[in-house]
Amino acid sequence: QQPVQSPQAVILREGEDAVINCSSSKALYSVHWYRQKHGEAPVFLMILLKGGEQKGHEKISASFNEKKQQSSLYLTASQLSYSGTYFCGTGGVFGNEKLTFGTGTRLTIIP
Amino acid sequence: EAGVVQSPRYKIIEKKQPVAFWCNPISGHNTLYWYLQNLGQGPELLIRYENEEAVDDSQLPKDRFSAERLKGVDSTLKIQPAELGDSAVYLCASSLVGGSSDGELFFGEGSRLTVL
Repeated sequence: QQPVQSPQAVILREGEDAVINCSSSKALYSVHWYRQKHGEAPVFLMILLKGGEQKGHEKISASFNEKKQQSSLYLTASQLSYSGTYFCGTGGVFGNEKLTFGTGTRLTIIP
Repeated sequence: EAGVVQSPRYKIIEKKQPVAFWCNPISGHNTLYWYLQNLGQGPELLIRYENEEAVDDSQLPKDRFSAERLKGVDSTLKIQPAELGDSAVYLCASSLVGGSSDGELFFGEGSRLTVL
């Protein structure tokens, strides 16, 4: 089953923070986060594995709550380049096998 | 390092016509994926290869879709005959499973199919 993301869309001013949530109805072993700009390929941001720590990537970080079967992506001090659609992907024990992408969150950063 | 290369980028065909998409993954990547992406939605896995073997094709509509990955490198995805509902972007991705890989998928720019 497809993970559900929230919110579906969000508009922020440059410098504001955002949180994107990803919820799964199944047990989570791994969570991927990707960003896709319009007309382009999805680009990998990070992967979180069960039992792993919160990860960071520049001003973008993510957490993984195994009990709640959720992951959250945190974008701090957003930049114009952060605009795009963010997808979480839930995977298997080893990471990327049977990767199922979520419903997506469209983030728009305005000056 | 060259990325994942897909062709054609765009294809417009009439329904019931056949179409084929080609993918060249990143050199050395043992795993190759074909995803379908409808407008505004997340990619949906069609088939996953580990080397030459299709290890997950449960989501591939086998009555009209077929795929192959000869010699464990390039791959071709075919639709015959195409239907109106097949209009979408077909994404190819590759990854290196095992070793020091962190599981990252590298996507190509996709092949946008329009069926009239």
